[in-house]
Amino acid sequence: DAMVIQNPRYQVTQFGKPVTLSCSQTLNHNVMYWYQQKSSQAPKLLFHYYDKDFNNEADTPDNFQSRRPNTSFCFLDIRSPGLGDAAMYLCATSREGRTNEKLFFGSGTQLSVL
Amino acid sequence: AQKVTQAQTEISVVEKEDVTLDCVYETRDTTYYLFWYKQPPSGELVFLIRRNSFDEQNEISGRYSWNFQKSTSSFNFTITASQVVDSAVYFCALTPNAGNNRKLIWGLGTSLAVNP
Repeated sequence: DAMVIQNPRYQVTQFGKPVTLSCSQTLNHNVMYWYQQKSSQAPKLLFHYYDKDFNNEADTPDNFQSRRPNTSFCFLDIRSPGLGDAAMYLCATSREGRTNEKLFFGSGTQLSVL
Repeated sequence: AQKVTQAQTEISVVEKEDVTLDCVYETRDTTYYLFWYKQPPSGELVFLIRRNSFDEQNEISGRYSWNFQKSTSSFNFTITASQVVDSAVYFCALTPNAGNNRKLIWGLGTSLAVNP
């Protein structure tokens, strides 16, 4: 089945140690999103790619970066994780990013920062 | 302002009860889309339904039904004869037509617990 795959499911890192989360999709969608979701909160959009065009949300800290080397893969890099960055990170895709399109989500990566 | 309010933070029901999850939205746009997503304990958000602002027809899908009323800016979700597998967090979301079309405006979610 076509899907959005996130690895790893659980990631533990140390305070200040760079970490990379990965996402791949077999849907051939143009748009890929990264969301941060903290406990009992709604997902918060960090940034998205429309094809190779990167779109950062105004309130996304500089500590968060992303790469999309090709259509299928997208990475979230956290350069110096702080305790406040512990959260679920969700990757999602949509075909063209239009207002009426539904999002397809991966299962998420639960990040712990020690 | 663009906003989605899900006033019910947590709901607990016994299996086979009917339950309604409320969603109230605010937008200045005349064209917009409303969504419901389900997030089970596994974490993956799953799309349930989409409704555009010009279509006020209610929808039923199995045990799920949705009531969209523009007059009250509400898009409520009812589960009939709830089951334990319905236990999840349910999010209502809005995409206004103006501005950044790719950004969903999310409610805070309603955590539904269906007990056997």
